[in-house]
Amino acid sequence: QVQLVQSGAEVKKPGASVKVSCKASGYTFSNHGMGWVRQAPGQGLEWMGWINNYNGDTNYAQKFHDRVTITTDTSTRTVYMELRTLRYDDTAVYYCARGSSWSTPYYMDAWGKGTTVTVSS
Amino acid sequence: DIVMTQSPDSLALSLGERATINCKSSQSVLNSSNNKNYLAWYQQKPGQPPKVVIYWASTRESGVPDRFSGSGSGTDFTLTISSLQAEDVAVYYCQQYYSTPLLTFGGGTKVEI
Repeated sequence: QVQLVQSGAEVKKPGASVKVSCKASGYTFSNHGMGWVRQAPGQGLEWMGWINNYNGDTNYAQKFHDRVTITTDTSTRTVYMELRTLRYDDTAVYYCARGSSWSTPYYMDAWGKGTTVTVSS
Repeated sequence: DIVMTQSPDSLALSLGERATINCKSSQSVLNSSNNKNYLAWYQQKPGQPPKVVIYWASTRESGVPDRFSGSGSGTDFTLTISSLQAEDVAVYYCQQYYSTPLLTFGGGTKVEI
């Protein structure tokens, strides 16, 4: 079965960076891209960006484009999301989510359990 | 960006009642070349990640009970739960993928018993 296993919770200081990992199993990795979605406490879902696991192409939401980098390691079937220059309002649960297509994200048909990132001094 | 607006913000119903959740997009998400609406619905139960229930506006995801249905076209969409069950308590989100790879979600609708 499809599984997306994310790395553990992180606590970071303002201005620091965080790198969250998402290890995929149970399907052909290159047949599906991976997106990242975050959810601040008590808030809704926010799209951050996407990586095509077939060719490595990335696309980022305008809000994050200068602070986020998504990478993929096809040898370990792991996708990474790095967010830099953390602010207090980056405190959120960060989800990786498998796209329904290899070429572009349509809808997300499998989700990781989420990684809590807390930004605190 | 395509803005997705959901209504109501929350609704409280009795077991067995019909739940109707609305989602409006700021521009059409209907692709005229394939006649598909690029819209999905997700269910998020407390403490869990979201789960897709409907995609292409009206296609039920495998394993989703048939009391869930999606309808609408263009800019106006509806998720209906025909007979509310206790396990349906959740927040429901719509999401457009017309402007893929730039996706946007609605603000969510909380369904309570």
